[in-house]
Amino acid sequence: DQQVKQNSPSLSVQEGRISILNCDYTNSMFDYFLWYKKYPAEGPTFLISISSIKDKNEDGRFTVFLNKSAKHLSLHIVPSQPGDSAVYFCAASANNDMRFGAGTRLTVKP
Amino acid sequence: DAGVIQSPRHEVTEMGQEVTLRCKPISGHNSLFWYRQTMMRGLELLIYFNNNVPIDDSGMPEDRFSAKMPNASFSTLKIQPSEPRDSAVYFCASSPLGGIGYNEQFFGPGTRLTVL
Repeated sequence: DQQVKQNSPSLSVQEGRISILNCDYTNSMFDYFLWYKKYPAEGPTFLISISSIKDKNEDGRFTVFLNKSAKHLSLHIVPSQPGDSAVYFCAASANNDMRFGAGTRLTVKP
Repeated sequence: DAGVIQSPRHEVTEMGQEVTLRCKPISGHNSLFWYRQTMMRGLELLIYFNNNVPIDDSGMPEDRFSAKMPNASFSTLKIQPSEPRDSAVYFCASSPLGGIGYNEQFFGPGTRLTVL
């Protein structure tokens, strides 16, 4: 069963605009959430995280929003840059469990 | 630090052969994780070690898969015998803290396995 879902396999945005990547989870025990970015032929790299005690965490151009009641989180990238083109994985974790979504491929067009 | 090192980067083998994937975690990291990435299922956790001890191997698909961590700087994932459905990218990751939750993981570049 997929406890973490990224329902959009791909997303294309124009440079300078906002990119919004979405992620849904089903297990209410998850209380820590992470986003990873992956370039081709490389491993995923950590981008940003959020604890369930918060509803927003910001780091430069990247902001993660958490809606616990909806079991939904999103990653906003503003402004989007061509170098942001990559696959983005969301992950949800509890004390001894971590699940990843299938990823969303973001393409930022110049 | 060179980061997490995996070898080989690419492996092509025939069905029925034994495959061994290798991983060197970042020095000083206490946890090591093996993942498999496929188009259909995304990133799946196979097994993780804490201080060289296997903690959770519930993600290992079947008995054909085994993993070892004989010391803090080396781990192997073995598939014997291999099957075409094992074709995937296998990632190793390490983390400075124990446990799997709440910690950023540092991933290696992956091994792309093709079983013919």
